[in-house]
Amino acid sequence: NAGVTQTPKFRVLKTGQSMTLLCAQDMNHEYMYWYRQDPGMGLRLIHYSVGEGTTAKGEVPDGYNVSRLKKQNFLLGLESAAPSQTSVYFCASSDPDGDTEAFFGQGTRLTVV
Amino acid sequence: DAKTTQPNSMESNEEEPVHLPCNHSTISGTDYIHWYRQLPSQGPEYVIHGLTSNVNNRMASLAIAEDRKSSTLILHRATLRDAAVYYCILRDSMDSNYQLIWGAGTKLIIKP
Repeated sequence: NAGVTQTPKFRVLKTGQSMTLLCAQDMNHEYMYWYRQDPGMGLRLIHYSVGEGTTAKGEVPDGYNVSRLKKQNFLLGLESAAPSQTSVYFCASSDPDGDTEAFFGQGTRLTVV
Repeated sequence: DAKTTQPNSMESNEEEPVHLPCNHSTISGTDYIHWYRQLPSQGPEYVIHGLTSNVNNRMASLAIAEDRKSSTLILHRATLRDAAVYYCILRDSMDSNYQLIWGAGTKLIIKP
């Protein structure tokens, strides 16, 4: 049971380049999330999804797009990367019930130069 | 969303118990209290959660105040591997668009 897997683990982009981060979960969870974490800060929610084919904006959605075409995958896209998007990105998944835990991936460290 | 307040950092000696406090004065009746921790260079991991009663698991204990406006995560015998940032978060069981809102957490420093 792999849990939540993020690819890639590291990436360096030039300003203006685009890329897609992939999150895959094998626990049949309905909910999936993308967070970013800047140094010394807590996690901030970028976008989330409450089911296949649905997405919603979180706290800091600008500059990002997402898609959930399959239940097990949640993709985060950066269309035109900016240095302000240098961060560590975490994906998570969970069941809808508040009485259950969320599972996190190991993160993607993105640097935009 | 209800918010939580935690101290920025705490220190403890190895092999001693650690009590990590969290205030959540605006908690609603349907909010579960969750604790996660984040080891250096890793993703957050679940520690424990509860609603009203105190909870125990293999990692820790969770003590919830009677009015539910505060809680305490208890590590019974801290080791160096417990050095991490600990986050206290509220999750509404009635929220169909569940969003985990994270604060800055408490950085736990364990002294050998």
